[in-house]
Amino acid sequence: AQKITQTQPGMFVQEKEAVTLDCTYDTSDPSYGLFWYKQPSSGEMIFLIYQGSYDQQNATEGRYSLNFQKARKSANLVISASQLGDSAMYFCAMSSIQGAQKLVFGQGTRLTINP
Amino acid sequence: ETGVTQTPRHLVMGMTNKKSLKCEQHLGHNAMYWYKQSAKKPLELMFVYSLEERVENNSVPSRFSPECPNSSHLFLHLHTLQPEDSALYLCASSQDPDGLTGELFFGEGSRLTVL
Repeated sequence: AQKITQTQPGMFVQEKEAVTLDCTYDTSDPSYGLFWYKQPSSGEMIFLIYQGSYDQQNATEGRYSLNFQKARKSANLVISASQLGDSAMYFCAMSSIQGAQKLVFGQGTRLTINP
Repeated sequence: ETGVTQTPRHLVMGMTNKKSLKCEQHLGHNAMYWYKQSAKKPLELMFVYSLEERVENNSVPSRFSPECPNSSHLFLHLHTLQPEDSALYLCASSQDPDGLTGELFFGEGSRLTVL
């Protein structure tokens, strides 16, 4: 079975600082995908970034980058130059090649950016 | 207009009521999903429809009944719910139901309270 672990229930960061949100995973599948989603107070889950298990390079999307360390089974999200609008819940998720798209989510990290 | 629209945004119902949640996607996707988000728990996949056929049912109680009349619409019919069913119900869609890379597009959710 797949499992995602996010060990930081809450993080507080000063505006313009970089922040790293931790995510570790467990799976026996040879191929898998790793995702990060942002959930602001409105409730909508917003896709941020994707990393495939066979991708050689770490994924980047604007201010977001994914620090993928396959041997350690970690997929940390790095947000550079944080902004007040980055305050939200952040979820790490994993997909399997088996069957339909089935994302397994972690419990989330609440990020608060202080001015 | 968001790509995935959910109505109602908030719903309060008694345990003997029958109500329905509606989801509509305007993205031309061929797969739709219902997720349940309870406080302090990871998102739980409830149902997956691919090409209007149910392909996943994660042991959800029969008091939740999904319906997918076409690829753009998804319903969740609710009857004789329990207070522990109070949660945020998120609808999502994707274009890649059998692959790893298809990201999910979420609606803003329907906040359900069962009295």
